Amino acid sequence: DAGITQSPRHKVTETGTPVTLRCHQTENHRYMYWYRQDPGHGLRLIHYSYGVKDTDKGEVSDGYSVSRSKTEDFLLTLESATSSQTSVYFCAISDSLAGGITGELFFGEGSRLTVL
Amino acid sequence: GIQVEQSPPDLILQEGANSTLRCNFSDSVNNLQWFHQNPWGQLINLFYIPSGTKQNGRLSATTVATERYSLLYISSSQTTDSGVYFCAVTNYQLIWGAGTKLIIKP
Repeated sequence: DAGITQSPRHKVTETGTPVTLRCHQTENHRYMYWYRQDPGHGLRLIHYSYGVKDTDKGEVSDGYSVSRSKTEDFLLTLESATSSQTSVYFCAISDSLAGGITGELFFGEGSRLTVL
Repeated sequence: GIQVEQSPPDLILQEGANSTLRCNFSDSVNNLQWFHQNPWGQLINLFYIPSGTKQNGRLSATTVATERYSLLYISSSQTTDSGVYFCAVTNYQLIWGAGTKLIIKP
């Protein structure tokens, strides 16, 4: 199994508070991703990183920021959590192949966030 | 952009049955992956299969890139096979199908 650890695994917080989710990998993969999964929407990409300090937005990036100061860590921050951000958040990693093609994707176990 | 369609959307089978799940995609892709999300929410990588056939125990997958489809075969189903099966294709951006929800009854 790919070495991906998400923390915290469960969090309950109140509207307006900041929240940071952490993803840690031991695989030295180049790409790291944050997805959210909600009923009826499947997996939606929030942000991704293609290297240290190199990040880009996904399809649902509003209200989220990310940082990657080390290869192994990718942080997702909700500056001021809202109830619409209640979701299950998945971190994923992949390596890059020749021609810039994304390699095999591996997921962490997920972090369940509830915003009251 | 590329469209990914999975069928059937839902499938209910008795333990021991075989099943075939299909993933159609609308344009050429660089790779394709199959995932299983179990009832506890874990997303497990099953196959990385841009073309050809791979087998892993009771599961096998075939991708015919020229005809833009992939098939996931599950033989002798067990209750632990229940969950949602996703395919995802990449053409520099990962695009997900909506999934097939599989329920295996004992």
